[in-house]
Amino acid sequence: KAGVTQTPRYLIKTRGQQVTLSCSPISGHRSVSWYQQTPGQGLQFLFEYFSETQRNKGNFPGRFSGRQFSNSRSEMNVSTLELGDSALYLCASSLMGQGQHEQYFGPGTRLTVT
Amino acid sequence: GQQLNQSPQSMFIQEGEDVSMNCTSSSIFNTWLWYKQDPGEGPVLLIALYKAGELTSNGRLTAQFGITRKDSFLNISASIPSDVGIYFCAGRQYNTDKLIFGTGTRLQVFP
Repeated sequence: KAGVTQTPRYLIKTRGQQVTLSCSPISGHRSVSWYQQTPGQGLQFLFEYFSETQRNKGNFPGRFSGRQFSNSRSEMNVSTLELGDSALYLCASSLMGQGQHEQYFGPGTRLTVT
Repeated sequence: GQQLNQSPQSMFIQEGEDVSMNCTSSSIFNTWLWYKQDPGEGPVLLIALYKAGELTSNGRLTAQFGITRKDSFLNISASIPSDVGIYFCAGRQYNTDKLIFGTGTRLQVFP
């Protein structure tokens, strides 16, 4: 069974631009969660989607948004990029929900904002 | 954001030594997960624990779900160079159902 895939793996953007990251979960998994990882803050939860609906949300500004499609694939969007948005963005999928089953992570998208 | 207390922050050990790390919280958890992350990659699930007192092994790794449901530990026996990486605990919080991550333990193994 293929694992969680994320595209692109690396991205360089300029302040003020917007970016869209993509995540394909493990086949059969319906829950997709997004995390931001930085050296100083560790793993911070962004949001979770289940059956195309946002089920949980972390403490991030409205510039961070996401969506999930009917095939469970998910996208995350960050608008008006700031330097502090530079981070590794991780997507994780689980069978039913992050609180009910093990989560499996993708390799991440390394975003650099200049 | 909320994080679990994980200790130690980093460890520098010799190949062949045993390693122990733990996560503690003031909250009760229903599930504990342990992950390992290599540089530039996503965390990989090592062990999942679902019941208080549960002791589970995965090769040289052993993890336990604390009796109080507020802590968990991970032991690595006879460490080898490929054990190098960052280890994270994650707990499913009883009252919110959210998955909370530890701050990570960076492990370095010297030959």
